[in-house]
Amino acid sequence: GENVEQHPSTLSVQEGDSAVIKCTYSDSASNYFPWYKQELGKRPQLIIDIRSNVGEKKDQRIAVTLNKTAKHFSLHITETQPEDSAVYFCAARGGGNQGGKLIFGQGTELSVKP
Amino acid sequence: DSGVTQTPKHLITATGQRVTLRCSPRSGDLSVYWYQQSLDQGLQFLIQYYNGEERAKGNILERFSAQQFPDLHSELNLSSLELGDSALYFCASSLGPYSNQPQHFGDGTRLSIL
Repeated sequence: GENVEQHPSTLSVQEGDSAVIKCTYSDSASNYFPWYKQELGKRPQLIIDIRSNVGEKKDQRIAVTLNKTAKHFSLHITETQPEDSAVYFCAARGGGNQGGKLIFGQGTELSVKP
Repeated sequence: DSGVTQTPKHLITATGQRVTLRCSPRSGDLSVYWYQQSLDQGLQFLIQYYNGEERAKGNILERFSAQQFPDLHSELNLSSLELGDSALYFCASSLGPYSNQPQHFGDGTRLSIL
């Protein structure tokens, strides 16, 4: 069935370093890949997304890359700050006639140490 | 503020009971999604409605049902509640029927089954 694998499950970096989170999806028909940031006790917030006709997208310190052939996509955060500490989720839109169904990875808990 | 409104914020009830969770989408959004977030299962897609019609279905239990009303608000009904139904239930909305459009999440309803 459809699946999104996310690694690592936890990530600890020093302030100012870069952080990379990787995801792999199983459904080759998936065409939309959002990333969400969830702080403790709060809602998931969309931070960046990428569509399958694009290989890379940047927004200030955040970038996402997509390799359709390998079915991999990654989140890159540069110059990390303590307020980047949160759980990050990748997701993939189910392919075919599945409407807006998003399949989520298991999440990465990012800790940025000052 | 995402513009997606969920009520109530917290719900405490007993096994065997029935509850209704409510969601109002962002102004202009026609799609409503329901997700369940538990510690061991992560974020799981339950169901999507678009303009009053069911659009996509996930692994939603038969004890759970949902609908979207003409004013586009949605309700998720959970019946014969079990301890394992304790979770955060999120509603999200998007403009159209497909998830290659951003989904914005509400603040969630925390359901506790005693």
